[in-house]
Amino acid sequence: DQQVKQNSPSLSVQEGRISILNCDYTNSMFDYFLWYKKYPAEGPTFLISISSIKDKNEDGRFTVFLNKSAKHLSLHIVPSQPGDSAVYFCAASVNSGYSTLTFGKGTMLLVSP
Amino acid sequence: NAGVTQTPKFRVLKTGQSMTLLCAQDMNHEYMYWYRQDPGMGLRLIHYSVGEGTTAKGEVPDGYNVSRLKKQNFLLGLESAAPSQTSVYFCASSLTAPGTEAFFGQGTRLTVV
Repeated sequence: DQQVKQNSPSLSVQEGRISILNCDYTNSMFDYFLWYKKYPAEGPTFLISISSIKDKNEDGRFTVFLNKSAKHLSLHIVPSQPGDSAVYFCAASVNSGYSTLTFGKGTMLLVSP
Repeated sequence: NAGVTQTPKFRVLKTGQSMTLLCAQDMNHEYMYWYRQDPGMGLRLIHYSVGEGTTAKGEVPDGYNVSRLKKQNFLLGLESAAPSQTSVYFCASSLTAPGTEAFFGQGTRLTVV
């Protein structure tokens, strides 16, 4: 039973436009959410996170929105750049005890010039 | 500034052979993790450790063993490799529980023939 779902395996966007990557979760105990970015032949790198006490977090071109009632979060990239082309993983955890990260299957973003 | 280093980066094993993957981190992190990444499956947790001398099972632990004899090292062992263990393996570490982000190594591509 997948607790973190990224239902779009891929997304294509033109350079300069907005990229929106979506993530849904089923475990209501999750209270911390992260996005990771992964280039081919490299390990994932942390991008941005959000705690359940917030509904928005911004870092430069990247903004994560959290809708707790819908158990949904999204990552917005504005403006998109070709260097953003990568696989994006959504992850969630319970921020207490010995919790671990649960990852979604990832969305491959392709930003074309 | 090495971060998380995995050894080896590539390996081909015959069915039934054994091997150990080494993960080393120089950030004095308490938590360490082993994940596997398979096409369409995202990142799945194999085993993890919350401190020196501790280990715990993750989502897909069968066929693997781990040890954390030193804080900076986390070893993943395959006692009798099977073709189903063909995957890309990622080690990660985090300072505390996953309320803080995890840092990943570059991965080990393992093929079992």
